[in-house]
Amino acid sequence: SQQGEEDPQALSIQEGENATMNCSYKTSINNLQWYRQNSGRGLVHLILIRSNEREKHSGRLRVTLDTSKKSSSLLITASRAADTASYFCATVYSNYQLIWGAGTKLIIKP
Amino acid sequence: GAVVSQHPSWVICKSGTSVKIECRSLDFQATTMFWYRQFPKQSLMLMATSNEGSKATYEQGVEKDKFLINHASLTLSTLTVTSAHPEDSSFYICSARGRLAGGIDTDTQYFGPGTRLTVL
Repeated sequence: SQQGEEDPQALSIQEGENATMNCSYKTSINNLQWYRQNSGRGLVHLILIRSNEREKHSGRLRVTLDTSKKSSSLLITASRAADTASYFCATVYSNYQLIWGAGTKLIIKP
Repeated sequence: GAVVSQHPSWVICKSGTSVKIECRSLDFQATTMFWYRQFPKQSLMLMATSNEGSKATYEQGVEKDKFLINHASLTLSTLTVTSAHPEDSSFYICSARGRLAGGIDTDTQYFGPGTRLTVL
């Protein structure tokens, strides 16, 4: 399957700073989703953004989608130690399968 | 929101035995369920997709006789790892999409918490 790409692979910032993660994909999508995974745990759905949307907010999370560049970004504002986790983007095509990026490991230093 | 559960959370078994993992959608009808496996520090790898009442569609490289998937009802799918070997040790995650209360179909996949399988 065609895997999306995420960057950076790892990101370490101070608590209170903003964290930005990017995701790129290759072909037209139905929607794009961001998930979070704490070490050794299951995934938690964060945000879904549809192909006709450009930006969505949820609490301290802001997701943008640029279909012309086939890319998305996840911004976490005012980061907290509890935000430490791996973050994955997943693109959804017409058959509802998710194509996953490799993930960004985010470490928030207190 | 929609909840997906998995059972067991973790299992340790001897090589050669079979292990069954259950995935349940607790408050919605899961018309489609997906099974993933995840190796340490890696992303998820889709193993198979199953629609309720149909045979599962397996991804290339996934042995269907090794990983038996049954999706007999709108709330339950099972993955059976047959004759498990140490290389089958992994984190197995299921997800489901379908019809929420009110009859609304959702694009979102809801994930179970995962099952950690260790084969000795």
